Amino acid sequence: KAGVTQTPRYLIKTRGQQVTLSCSPISGHRSVSWYQQTPGQGLQFLFEYFSETQRNKGNFPGRFSGRQFSNSRSEMNVSTLELGDSALYLCASNPPGQGYNEQFFGPGTRLTVL
Amino acid sequence: AQSVTQPDIHITVSEGASLELRCNYSYGATPYLFWYVQSPGQGLQLLLKYFSGDTLVQGIKGFEAEFKRSQSSFNLRKPSVHWSDAAEYFCVFTGGGNKLTFGTGTQLKVEL
Repeated sequence: KAGVTQTPRYLIKTRGQQVTLSCSPISGHRSVSWYQQTPGQGLQFLFEYFSETQRNKGNFPGRFSGRQFSNSRSEMNVSTLELGDSALYLCASNPPGQGYNEQFFGPGTRLTVL
Repeated sequence: AQSVTQPDIHITVSEGASLELRCNYSYGATPYLFWYVQSPGQGLQLLLKYFSGDTLVQGIKGFEAEFKRSQSSFNLRKPSVHWSDAAEYFCVFTGGGNKLTFGTGTQLKVEL
C-alpha cells in the first residue's frame, strides 16, 4: 500500500509570492489534514478536508487556504508569502471509520521564503 | 484550554539506560493521547495511543506509556534505549476528530 505523497519536497520562494503544495493520501482515505511545523511555534494544525469539504480549521490567517479533489488529493495554498511562512508543511492521511484512528503523515514539503 | 505540555526540551541518556519522557495534558474529559516520533528523513511515526481502558499501553519499538488521570499525565517509557532511538518525541492530544494538538517536543540524544 503506497504511503502519503507530498510534492514538491522542497520549495524556495520570495516574499509576496504565492505557493501551492500537494498531498496525495493513502488509497481509500478520504480525509486529509495539514500541519505547519516551525522551530518557534512547533507543529500546528492548519485544516482538515473530508470529501472535498473543509471540516476543521486552525488559527491561521486567510492567506492559508486549501481544497480537496474528488480523488481525495488535497492542495494547500499560501498567498502573499511572508518570511515567517518558512516551515515544514506536513500532510496527514486519515483512515475512514468512526471515532479516532491513527493519522499517517507524509514526508513534508520544506518551504523557504527569502 | 485544551493543551499538552512536555516540560523537557532536551534529554540525553546513555545507550542501554532507561528512558522516561514526560507529558501533561489539560482537558475536561478523557482525552485521546498519542506519542509520535520524528526522525530526520523518516517523517512522523505513531509509537502508541491511548483512548480508554487499560492505562498502560504498549507501542512499537519497545515503548510503553502510562495514562494517569489523577496526575493528568501520559509519560513515555522505555527500559533500555538504543542509539537508533535518538529523535524528537511528541506527545499529542485530541478531544476527538482529526485535529491534533502537539506538544512542543522532546529532543532525545543517546550517548554511546
